[in-house]
Formats: sequence, C-alpha cells, structure tokens
Amino acid sequence: EAGVAQSPRYKIIEKRQSVAFWCNPISGHATLYWYQQILGQGPKLLIQFQNNGVVDDSQLPKDRFSAERLKGVDSTLKIQPAKLEDSAVYLCASSLMGPHTDTQYFGPGTRLTVL
Amino acid sequence: KQEVTQIPAALSVPEGENLVLNCSFTDSAIYNLQWFRQDPGKGLTSLLLIQSSQREQTSGRLNASLDKSSGRSTLYIAASQPGDSATYLCAVRAGGTSYGKLTFGQGTILTVHP
Repeated sequence: EAGVAQSPRYKIIEKRQSVAFWCNPISGHATLYWYQQILGQGPKLLIQFQNNGVVDDSQLPKDRFSAERLKGVDSTLKIQPAKLEDSAVYLCASSLMGPHTDTQYFGPGTRLTVL
Repeated sequence: KQEVTQIPAALSVPEGENLVLNCSFTDSAIYNLQWFRQDPGKGLTSLLLIQSSQREQTSGRLNASLDKSSGRSTLYIAASQPGDSATYLCAVRAGGTSYGKLTFGQGTILTVHP
C-alpha cells in the first residue's frame, strides 16, 4: 500500500512570495490533516478535513494560509504572502475513518525556507 | 488549552541500556495518547496508541503506560539499539466535541551509541 505522498520535498522562497504544497493521502482515507512543524518543536495542526469538508482550522492563519481538498482526495496548502516565521516542515497525514478510531499516517513533509 | 511536555529534551545512552521517556499533559480529558517516532528528514511513524481506558500497550521492546488522572505517560525502551536513535514524540487526542485534535509535545531526541 502506497503511503502519503507530498511534493515538493524542499522549497526555498523569499518573503512576500507565495508557495503551494501538495498532498496525496492513502487511498480510501477520508480524513486529511496538515501540520506545521517548526524546528525543535512538535507538529501543530493547521487544518483537518473530513472528506472535502473542513473539521478544524482554528490554528490556520487565515490571512495568509489557505487549504482545499478537491473531491475529497488530494489537498493543497497555500501561503500568500510568506513570512520569515513560516519557515518550517509542513506535514500531511491521513487516517481511514474518523480521528477517534484510527492512527494517522504521515507523509515525509515539505521543508520550507523563507529568506 | 492542552499543553504537552516531554522530558528530557535529549538523551544519549550506550547500546543495551533500558530507558524511559516521559510525557505530561495538562488536560486529562483525552481520548487517547500516541507515541510517534520521527527520523531526520522523514515523517512520523506511529509506535503505540493507548486508549484513555487503557493503562498500557506493548510492542516488541516498547512499552507505553498511561496515567490519565495524573496527566502522565511513559515510553519504556528495553535493550536499546543504535537503530532506535530518533526523535520520539507523544501526542494526546482530545475527547469530547473537539473532534480529536492531536496536540504534540516537543519531542525527545534519543541517541543510542554503540
């Protein structure tokens, strides 16, 4: 079974530029998560989808971050405009059913550097 | 607001030693607790999941315990090996109506030297 795929693996941009990350979850997984992991910290949930609906986006900086999940499968996370403090690893994860019952499977992450 | 703390932040041990990693959380109203492993440049791999009604879970050389009332969990690694070197993260899943958001600790960086 293929795991969670993410691209790109690395991205370097200058502040005020825009960037987008892509995630393809494990086939059949209804729940998809985006996390931000700053160096030396644990991952922080940005947004959680159930199929193509948003369940939790309470920690998503909505003035600059946006995310969508088309047709309940792939998802994209966008930052516009980027700030220096957005430098982090962005992790995508998916789980089979509701989050109360299932383990999350993580992708390798996208490392973003904002100069 | 749930806060998760892991102690120690880093640990270096010789091969073969048994070791304990600690995790504490401020809100005991959790649904479950998970321990993850993260290797450099890679995503997280789930090691053990303990439901709030359980006291411990075991997988091979790993044993995780949960004391929900005191807000604590430990991960015990027996007979450590260099391949165990990684960052270990604990995460608690909220219960109730919050729909299960995971809150992570900052991790413990483990180095097992030959």
